[in-house]
Amino acid sequence: GAVVSQHPSWVICKSGTSVKIECRSLDFQATTMFWYRQFPKQSLMLMATSNEGSKATYEQGVEKDKFLINHASLTLSTLTVTSAHPEDSSFYICSAPTRDSYEQYFGPGTRLTVT
Amino acid sequence: SQQGEEDPQALSIQEGENATMNCSYKTSINNLQWYRQNSGRGLVHLILIRSNEREKHSGRLRVTLDTSKKSSSLLITASRAADTASYFCAWTGNQFYFGTGTSLTVIP
Repeated sequence: GAVVSQHPSWVICKSGTSVKIECRSLDFQATTMFWYRQFPKQSLMLMATSNEGSKATYEQGVEKDKFLINHASLTLSTLTVTSAHPEDSSFYICSAPTRDSYEQYFGPGTRLTVT
Repeated sequence: SQQGEEDPQALSIQEGENATMNCSYKTSINNLQWYRQNSGRGLVHLILIRSNEREKHSGRLRVTLDTSKKSSSLLITASRAADTASYFCAWTGNQFYFGTGTSLTVIP
C-alpha cells in the first residue's frame, strides 16, 4: 500500500525557535495533504489542508503565521512551527488521501517537545 | 464542532473476549472508516464502510453502520493482547473528521 513518511519522528526544541516537519508520499503523488495535531489521550484535530501549488487552508483557530505550510511538490509538504512555545508540544501527523479521496494514508507522526 | 463521539472512552477486557466500540457522528457521510493507533504511533486503516452498506466484515472485525441514527460500531472478536490500542472512527463529509477515540486494553 501507499506509504507516507514523516521526518523527524521526534524533536526537542527550545522556546522561541522554529521547527520544520516534513511529510512525504513515497510511492504516489498527493496534490493534497492534511496536517493534524494530537494531544495526549485525545483525538486528531485537523489543523490545515496543504495544497500543492497554492496556499494552505487553515481550520478555525489555527494561526497560519505560526504554523507555516508549504506544499513544494506533489510528494512533499512541510509544516514549520514558528516561535515555538511549550503549549505547541504535541504529536503532529500528516496524511494524504487516496485517489478517490475516501481513505487516508497517515504518516507515523512527529513528536514535538518544546522546552 | 464536527467531531463525533465514541464510547466507551476506555475499555478493558480479557484476551479472547469480544470488544465493541460505538461511534456517533454529526454530518451526512460518504463513508465511515475505522483506524487503529498504537501508543505514540501513526494511524493504521482498518476498514471502510460506505454509506449504502449496513455491515461489513474483515477478519476478526465487524463494522455496522446506521445512517438513520448516524452511528457505527466496531466489533473485534476473540481479542488478543496485540489488539491493545486506540481506535478511532473517521468519516468524510465535506472534509475528514475523527471521533474522540476508544482506548482498548486487552489483558493476556
